[in-house]
Amino acid sequence: GAVVSQHPSWVICKSGTSVKIECRSLDFQATTMFWYRQFPKQSLMLMATSNEGSKATYEQGVEKDKFLINHASLTLSTLTVTSAHPEDSSFYICSARGRGGQPQHFGDGTRLSIL
Amino acid sequence: GENVEQHPSTLSVQEGDSAVIKCTYSDSASNYFPWYKQELGKRPQLIIDIRSNVGEKKDQRIAVTLNKTAKHFSLHITETQPEDSAVYFCAATVSQKLVFGQGTRLTINP
Repeated sequence: GAVVSQHPSWVICKSGTSVKIECRSLDFQATTMFWYRQFPKQSLMLMATSNEGSKATYEQGVEKDKFLINHASLTLSTLTVTSAHPEDSSFYICSARGRGGQPQHFGDGTRLSIL
Repeated sequence: GENVEQHPSTLSVQEGDSAVIKCTYSDSASNYFPWYKQELGKRPQLIIDIRSNVGEKKDQRIAVTLNKTAKHFSLHITETQPEDSAVYFCAATVSQKLVFGQGTRLTINP
C-alpha cells in the first residue's frame, strides 16, 4: 500500500518551455502533498506544501509564479515549471501524506533537463 | 526554523561490519524522525522511523536511537551487506514538514 506515482520520469525540453509534472497517490487519499528539488549529490530541499483544495505554501526563496502547484483532488497534485531555464534542471520529487499523518510516501521523481 | 545536521558525509565499511550515521536537530518541538535510503536516480525509501516518545526502535539489522535531551538521533546498520550501499538521509519534522540532513554516502566494501 501507500503508492505514489509520479509522471513523467524524465523530461528534456528547450529553454522557455513550461513543463508539468504529475503526482498521484494510487491507493490512499493524500491530504497533503510536498514537492522537493534535489540537485546532484545534494539533499532534498522542500519547495512547497499543498493541501487539497487550498493554495500551496511555498518555502522561502521559491518563486510561486515560476513553480505553479495545483492540488485539485485528494489523489493528484501537479507542479508546473513555467518558462524553464537551464538552471531549473534538477530532480523533482513529490511526496504524499494521508489523513493519518506521517510517514510521507515518495514518488519516483522526475529528472528535468532544460537545454 | 528546523536545522538538521548529518555526519559523516561519506562512510566506507567492510562487509559484515556495522555502520553508524548520526544526526542532530535544532527544534525541540520536532517529534518524528525518519531515515531514508536513496539509490542513484531513485526515490528515497523509508527504512525506519522513530517518534519522540520512544528512545529506540529496531527492525532486523537496522536500529535507530533518539536522545531528545541532546537532540540527536542515530542510525545503526549491523552485519552490513553490499546492497546496503546507498545514500542515507535523516530527517526531522515539525509542523508536519520534513527537513532533511545533508546525506551520507555509505559504501560497503566486499
